[in-house]
Formats: sequence, structure tokens, C-alpha cells
Amino acid sequence: DVVMAQSPLSLPVTLGQPASISCRSSQSLVYSDGNTYLSWSQQRPGQSPRRLIYKVSNRDSGVPDRFSGSGSGTDFTLKISRVEAEDVGVYYCMQGTHPYTFGQGTKLEIK
Amino acid sequence: EVQLVESGGGLVQPGGSLRLSCAASGFTFSSYWMHWVRQAPGKGLVWVSHINNDGSGTTYADSVKGRFTISRDNAKSTLYLQMNSLRDEDTAVYYCTRDWLGIDYWGQGTLVTVSS
Repeated sequence: DVVMAQSPLSLPVTLGQPASISCRSSQSLVYSDGNTYLSWSQQRPGQSPRRLIYKVSNRDSGVPDRFSGSGSGTDFTLKISRVEAEDVGVYYCMQGTHPYTFGQGTKLEIK
Repeated sequence: EVQLVESGGGLVQPGGSLRLSCAASGFTFSSYWMHWVRQAPGKGLVWVSHINNDGSGTTYADSVKGRFTISRDNAKSTLYLQMNSLRDEDTAVYYCTRDWLGIDYWGQGTLVTVSS
């Protein structure tokens, strides 16, 4: 199975400052169809997860443009350009080839 | 609006069984793969099982293989998870999720507690 490793696991950030989360996979996520099924989801306290980014860098509908995804192969990054209070929660990367696997989660909090 | 509403969770003794249901609405259910994902209290997300759009193909995490069965009724727009031989470590919130280029929509989850 593909192992997904996120860092850092805890991320204190000052409001208005940028934040970055890394996700590394144990093998290349380029699928046989040429696509890379790497996504990022946000789980606010007490809520279900919500997908933010799919196929590495595509924002889902309604996701603020301060969120961006990048990367290729085995190294991926989620960036928040200016952290807002509503961004507090846990962020997960996920790879979408069977069996699907998630990163451990990165807890973002306001400093 | 996409909605996924789980039901069927509860308290069950080790070795017991439960059947989870997920009522889907707001999209053409028969066109999408579906998954179950679980989250133990205070822990991260763990993929459990998937089923393709017509129900002919399924996969399972090793931890539940042989004990859990995923199924769907496209006429009722409903996803199921039959859970047998439940163990303490199966205690978690179980989420019904839709797959479009990866998991995109999540239900609110249903809590399964396995305890004597």
C-alpha cells in the first residue's frame, strides 16, 4: 500500500500569515492514465471532512483562492496564502488509487 | 445539492453485527463509485471499502476483509455496509463518501461503538 507522510503534524500560524503543509508518498502517484490522484481535505473541529484540492492543484467549487496545491511524483504541498480564523482544523492529503490511503493529518491552529 | 445521510450506527458487543446505510440525493447515484471511510475517536481518516457504480466491483482494507461487505441499491440511491464479527478496534465514526476524481463529498458520519 502507498504510505502518505505529512509534515508538520502541528502547525501554529499567525492570522494573515502564510502556511504550508507537505505530503510525501512512498511511491509515485502518477496513475496509468497519466493523472495524479492526490487530493487535500480540511476537517474543521466537529465537522466532516471537505475536499479542497483534487488532482494535485485543482480547487473544488467554493474553495477560496488562498488555498493552492502543487507538486508531482511523490512530493506535494498545500499552501494557504493568508491564514484566516476559519482555516483552523486538520488537513489531510489522500491518494486515490486502490487501496486509497490518507496522510496522518496536520493540525493547523492560530498562534 | 449533494447529500449523503448515514444511519444504522450504535453500540454493539464484540462479535456482533451492524448494517450501516447511506441515503444519497442531489446527484445521479448510479454514476459514481462510493466508499466508506472511518475515523476512530481522536484519530485520522482510514479508508474501509469501495464499490464501483454498478456494484460489480468491490475492494476492502485488509483490516476488514472477510468481515465487512459493501453493497448498493441504485434504484434506492442507497449504499450499505454490513459489518460482522465486530471488534473493539472497529469503534469509529463511519463516513459515506462519493468518488469523483478522488473522494469529494462526505456524509455527516454515524458512530459505531464496539464494547461489552
